[in-house]
Amino acid sequence: IQLTQSPSFLSASVGDTVTITCRASQDIVTSLAWYQQKPGKAPDLLIYDASTFYNGVSSKFSGSGSGTDFTLTIHSLQPEDFATYYCQEVDTDSRSFGPGTKVDIK
Amino acid sequence: QVHLQPWGASLLKPSETLSLTCAVYSASFRGYSWSWVRQPPGKGLEWLGEVIPAGDANYSPSFKSRVTISRDMSKNQFSLKLSSVTVADTAVYFCARVFLASGLRSYMDVWGNGTTVTVSS
Repeated sequence: IQLTQSPSFLSASVGDTVTITCRASQDIVTSLAWYQQKPGKAPDLLIYDASTFYNGVSSKFSGSGSGTDFTLTIHSLQPEDFATYYCQEVDTDSRSFGPGTKVDIK
Repeated sequence: QVHLQPWGASLLKPSETLSLTCAVYSASFRGYSWSWVRQPPGKGLEWLGEVIPAGDANYSPSFKSRVTISRDMSKNQFSLKLSSVTVADTAVYFCARVFLASGLRSYMDVWGNGTTVTVSS
């Protein structure tokens, strides 16, 4: 299974709302997670089962989608949100990650 | 609070076996699955595999021929071995706790700090 993310790079301003897309090469139902990773740090789980918030994650992050097309939306970007975001499927033995979307400050 | 701390050899030569251990500081070690993920320099994340509560392991097809993940419940630790390493195995290696969501879907919710492993002749 292959996961693609778009865009690969996103330049945005504080206060913006941005959307990242993850597309799977086959139907994975809602078996998808979103992670945030900052430089030099381990990833943090944001969303699982495509749209469920992980404990303590801000509601500014929202996930949606099913089947092959998924989105992560980040509302009102703050300086701490500038990071790289990865999707991961957990429907297959590969547990593949997408290539990542880097969200940078404009 | 759960804390994961990986450790192991940081410099290997091609053809050697990578060996890492992750110490888990938590009272609930035996009820969870535990996994390994790696990240080559400047690249994305790669799932290597996991050890489940029953003691069995699941591996990524991409690494299945070279990887072994096991656990030591007496020490609250789990380990990764990757055989026949090449320079392409140079990466930051992360250990992580797995939690089961609906339909037994496995997600990684607590991560240790990464440990860098370099393979060089």
